[in-house]
Amino acid sequence: KAGVTQTPRYLIKTRGQQVTLSCSPISGHRSVSWYQQTPGQGLQFLFEYFSETQRNKGNFPGRFSGRQFSNSRSEMNVSTLELGDSALYLCASSSEREGIWELFFGEGSRLTVL
Amino acid sequence: AQTVTQSQPEMSVQEAETVTLSCTYDTSESDYYLFWYKQPPSRQMILVIRQEAYKQQNATENRFSVNFQKAAKSFSLKISDSQLGDAAMYFCAYRSLNNNDMRFGAGTRLTVKP
Repeated sequence: KAGVTQTPRYLIKTRGQQVTLSCSPISGHRSVSWYQQTPGQGLQFLFEYFSETQRNKGNFPGRFSGRQFSNSRSEMNVSTLELGDSALYLCASSSEREGIWELFFGEGSRLTVL
Repeated sequence: AQTVTQSQPEMSVQEAETVTLSCTYDTSESDYYLFWYKQPPSRQMILVIRQEAYKQQNATENRFSVNFQKAAKSFSLKISDSQLGDAAMYFCAYRSLNNNDMRFGAGTRLTVKP
């Protein structure tokens, strides 16, 4: 069974540009969540999607947005990039079987903003 | 809001020895999940161990075990017979069952010395 796949793995942008990151969850998983990881702030929750609906949202500005498609694939978009947006963006999909919930992470998309 | 605190930014252990990583959390909820995740250098985050708050018995997975003290809101991870492959960042995480909110601690970087 394929794991969580994130693309692109690495990308470099300049301030003011926008970026779109993609995440394909494990087959059968309907929930996808996104996290920003930086050395200073650690792992911070961005948002979670379940069956194409945003179910939960972290404390990030409106420049950060996401969506989920009918096949559960998800994208997140950051507009008007700032230097502080440089981070590793992690996507995770989750499943719950027999009351046991587990989160599976992708390898991340490393964004550098110059 | 729930918070997760890992008070040890860095820890080191000699190969084959035992090490304990600390984690405390703050919550007013009675039912939740706790996790330890491992993030090796430049590799994806994987689940080490999971504990359901309603279970009094401490979870164990091979060389990894937890000491879950619900009243004290403490959730430490013990790694026995440490191996070089255990070197990684370890994150403690809390998941609310009320709103599916997932919070991570700042992480502990574990070094294993041969």
